[in-house]
Amino acid sequence: DAGITQSPRHKVTETGTPVTLRCHQTENHRYMYWYRQDPGHGLRLIHYSYGVKDTDKGEVSDGYSVSRSKTEDFLLTLESATSSQTSVYFCATGQGAGETQYFGPGTRLLVL
Amino acid sequence: SQQGEEDPQALSIQEGENATMNCSYKTSINNLQWYRQNSGRGLVHLILIRSNEREKHSGRLRVTLDTSKKSSSLLITASRAADTASYFCATDKTGTASKLTFGTGTRLQVTL
Repeated sequence: DAGITQSPRHKVTETGTPVTLRCHQTENHRYMYWYRQDPGHGLRLIHYSYGVKDTDKGEVSDGYSVSRSKTEDFLLTLESATSSQTSVYFCATGQGAGETQYFGPGTRLLVL
Repeated sequence: SQQGEEDPQALSIQEGENATMNCSYKTSINNLQWYRQNSGRGLVHLILIRSNEREKHSGRLRVTLDTSKKSSSLLITASRAADTASYFCATDKTGTASKLTFGTGTRLQVTL
């Protein structure tokens, strides 16, 4: 376990409200990732970061934004939550591009 | 569509038997990784095999890679009830820096 925490672990919110999920790491890994996991889809990459203030889109980035102001923290924001964003969100970190990733415990988000 | 597709989608065996799951992918890769996910938890890295390797072992795990067929297999020998989990392959595709693409997983059930 690479010392990755996610907060909150569970959240219920209403459609149209903004939501921010936080990922915190203590391993000083350069790369950080946000995935969502849905039945039948496996894990899909939302956004990732390859350094402080350096981020890029994944395959399902619409409706999401990210920020990384320091190495330890990677924030995922749902700008205006929709029911289709109900999912389990996982943060991961890695030391090198395309190398082993270490996952957090996940955040269960329910958008009503 | 997913880069990695695991087969079978679900597998049920008895304790002590071997479990084999397969992963096929579509484009050239730098490496292929296998992860395990226990119910409700984050993913845990099991093994990474690079494109110039054909076989790797880690404890009761054996992974093979056939780049000509674009496929990999994960063998778990002498399965235990604690091996019950979902198993995912992930590929680091050539030319897509930093990102892994995950398959939809094989659900393994090991019964006593």
